Amino acid sequence: DGGITQSPKYLFRKEGQNVTLSCEQNLNHDAMYWYRQDPGQGLRLIYYSQIVNDFQKGDIAEGYSVSREKKESFPLTVTSAQKNPTAFYLCASSGLDGYNEQFFGPGTRLTVL
Amino acid sequence: GQNIDQPTEMTATEGAIVQINCTYQTSGFNGLFWYQQHAGEAPTFLSYNVLDGLEEKGRFSSFLSRSKGYSYLLLKELQMKDSASYLCAVTDSNYQLIWGAGTKLIIKP
Repeated sequence: DGGITQSPKYLFRKEGQNVTLSCEQNLNHDAMYWYRQDPGQGLRLIYYSQIVNDFQKGDIAEGYSVSREKKESFPLTVTSAQKNPTAFYLCASSGLDGYNEQFFGPGTRLTVL
Repeated sequence: GQNIDQPTEMTATEGAIVQINCTYQTSGFNGLFWYQQHAGEAPTFLSYNVLDGLEEKGRFSSFLSRSKGYSYLLLKELQMKDSASYLCAVTDSNYQLIWGAGTKLIIKP
């Protein structure tokens, strides 16, 4: 089955630690995205990538980093510089043919203690 | 700036009909999506409009007026499982998706 996987579903970290969230897709999509969602709010774009070895900052990139070494993978690192990292993180992917429906992974809920 | 407006919360009764509105102001327009998101889960695709008019898909319909920068999602024969947030998103001239904050729909028996 084609889809997007994110792991883990729940993640707990101590303040000051970096943490990496994984995102893998087998949909052969060129574009991948990372969003953050806080309770009762919409999706905010952190980073996106449209091609391997290239990525762009979204609206709230500060305190985050990404890499895109393979088409299928787009991991997100939440660094200690992110002031309020506790949130629900969603990864998505899409094609680049104009109709860019985004398909989402199940999300990772990160709690920083 | 780019902006998408939706009501924050709506309440409806099981079996009834509800209309969720979305207005947008974006730099260009290349389509509008509606997604459903249950609490703690990922958004799932509901509909896509790029031309003016109504798209019907079972109990759900979506309408678009590009001249008015307006869309609505119509849900008929409401079921308890329709309790969720409904997200409106617009593709701008750079083919980036601009997301609304979502409308939380509460269904009462």
